[in-house]
Amino acid sequence: GQNIDQPTEMTATEGAIVQINCTYQTSGFNGLFWYQQHAGEAPTFLSYNVLDGLEEKGRFSSFLSRSKGYSYLLLKELQMKDSASYLCAVVDSNYQLIWGAGTKLIIKP
Amino acid sequence: DTAVSQTPKYLVTQMGNDKSIKCEQNLGHDTMYWYKQDSKKFLKIMFSYNNKELIINETVPNRFSPKSPDKAHLNLHINSLELGDSAVYFCASSQGGLSGANVLTFGAGSRLTVL
Repeated sequence: GQNIDQPTEMTATEGAIVQINCTYQTSGFNGLFWYQQHAGEAPTFLSYNVLDGLEEKGRFSSFLSRSKGYSYLLLKELQMKDSASYLCAVVDSNYQLIWGAGTKLIIKP
Repeated sequence: DTAVSQTPKYLVTQMGNDKSIKCEQNLGHDTMYWYKQDSKKFLKIMFSYNNKELIINETVPNRFSPKSPDKAHLNLHINSLELGDSAVYFCASSQGGLSGANVLTFGAGSRLTVL
């Protein structure tokens, strides 16, 4: 079967750095997405990785290792507004999008 | 000027009723989707549709049906509602064809509660 694993919940402090991990076992790989979803709102696109390595976009960075079936989302200089769920999703060999359950990130002052 | 808009935002109804959720996108995207997000927060694809093809997730009961009057609209009709249908339903759209590798723009969601 196809599986995406993320921690259910993480807590971090305002101003700090947090890394949210995602491991996957899928039938093939054609890219990995990270989406942010604030409570009661729509998911919004953060990043897309298809090649190994780190992609930086402001305070957010996303890393991919295809050989390890592993990605992480790195959030720097955390702000209270970063409190949200972060969804990892993998595109499989049939170009179907497989979603993880998301990681709820709680930011404390 | 909302990119993907869906109505209603909240819908409370009785078991056995039939209901519809409407979705419109003004992004000029080619493909639209319906997703279901359950209490465990998993997003599950229900339908993917562009002007050439409809892909139905085989796990979706045939009580659910998408209807697209034009490229900018994809409505969701649900017949004989059941308690297990309670969830948040998200409409989404993307540029390009029916590929999971396209970036999705989601609507704000419609929370359906079946009593």
